[in-house]
Amino acid sequence: EDQVTQSPEALRLQEGESSSLNCSYTVSGLRGLFWYRQDPGKGPEFLFTLYSAGEEKEKERLKATLTKKESFLHITAPKPEDSATYLCAVQAPDKLIFGTGTRLQVFP
Amino acid sequence: DTEVTQTPKHLVMGMTNKKSLKCEQHMGHRAMYWYKQKAKKPPELMFVYSYEKLSINESVPSRFSPECPNSSLLNLHLHALQPEDSALYLCASSHLLGQGLTGELFFGEGSRLTVL
Repeated sequence: EDQVTQSPEALRLQEGESSSLNCSYTVSGLRGLFWYRQDPGKGPEFLFTLYSAGEEKEKERLKATLTKKESFLHITAPKPEDSATYLCAVQAPDKLIFGTGTRLQVFP
Repeated sequence: DTEVTQTPKHLVMGMTNKKSLKCEQHMGHRAMYWYKQKAKKPPELMFVYSYEKLSINESVPSRFSPECPNSSLLNLHLHALQPEDSALYLCASSHLLGQGLTGELFFGEGSRLTVL
């Protein structure tokens, strides 16, 4: 069964304290892995697409990596404005499967 | 600022009302989506339109009726809803790739629906 699992469910960081979010997946015929950021009461905002193991993408303090079984979203020296829910989604042949997200809070 | 515009931002309706949610995009995307999201849950796909034709209906109850008048507009008509239908309704759009849909979706800010 196609499945996407994100961990941890919630993460509290001090400003400047780097960490990583995990997205584990089992899917037949992966066509891409996607990271989104969602602020409370808003729609998700697309961040990255990863297609193959070993691929990496960066944007400001965020870096996404992909292996054959999981993806990591590394956050370097986070700021309070990075607080949000981060969603991972996997494209199977006939559907996009979202994980349940990691709620990140960064405190000054 | 999002390039997918949804109206209204908030809607309160009774179970006997008929209302509509509207979505507009001007990015030239030929795929448009309706998602439903409950608190602390991921978005749940409802409908997909490809080239203005309904291509995916995720077994959504008939009290939700989608419509795609043209390539820029997407509507969701609501009738005889239940309180459990209260949620954030998200519209999204994307390019269509040669092999079909892509996971690079551009979402609107959503319409917060409350059914009394």
